[in-house]
Amino acid sequence: GENVEQHPSTLSVQEGDSAVIKCTYSDSASNYFPWYKQELGKGPQLIIDIRSNVGEKKDQRIAVTLNKTAKHFSLHITETQPEDSAVYFCAASLYNFNKFYFGSGTKLNVKP
Amino acid sequence: GAVVSQHPSRVICKSGTSVKIECRSLDFQATTMFWYRQFPKQSLMLMATSNEGSKATYEQGVEKDKFLINHASLTLSTLTVTSAHPEDSSFYICSARAPGQGFGYTFGSGTRLTVV
Repeated sequence: GENVEQHPSTLSVQEGDSAVIKCTYSDSASNYFPWYKQELGKGPQLIIDIRSNVGEKKDQRIAVTLNKTAKHFSLHITETQPEDSAVYFCAASLYNFNKFYFGSGTKLNVKP
Repeated sequence: GAVVSQHPSRVICKSGTSVKIECRSLDFQATTMFWYRQFPKQSLMLMATSNEGSKATYEQGVEKDKFLINHASLTLSTLTVTSAHPEDSSFYICSARAPGQGFGYTFGSGTRLTVV
């Protein structure tokens, strides 16, 4: 089965700085990679996703890059704000299947 | 956007009792819903896939008789933790894929179960 590894487990940045979270996956057949943000005591919320037919996707301050050859993908948050503080999860899936494999999560702390 | 409502948000029950958690898709129909379990500071682990009108599909290692899933309508799936024990204490989250939302899933807000 798929194995998704996520690094770092915790990340502290100063407000305004950029944050990068990295994930690797093992199954080259995976073709859909979403990122979720989870605030304390709440369910995860989809913030951005990418399919394997593109290398990069951007949505305002958030971007995701995918390197299919190396089987890794990254989340980039620019101009971080305190409200970005949360736990972020990456996941990998075959988009025509329902099974998602989640990374272990990254706790992002943005210091004002 | 699509909303998945989960109830209750928190529940405390005594050891040996059963607890039912509801997951509703508020503005769309979901033939399939998913139940996850999350331990503190850990990732989400898929427990089972809930299929409307048919039996749920459980992941390896998940006890079917302990975690009963019912998906009686296109907008409601329930997870019942039977004969709960302290080790069942966890954060339970459901999700569903809403039409027109791409391939991403919408998650409920989760239920914190504490068994005492």
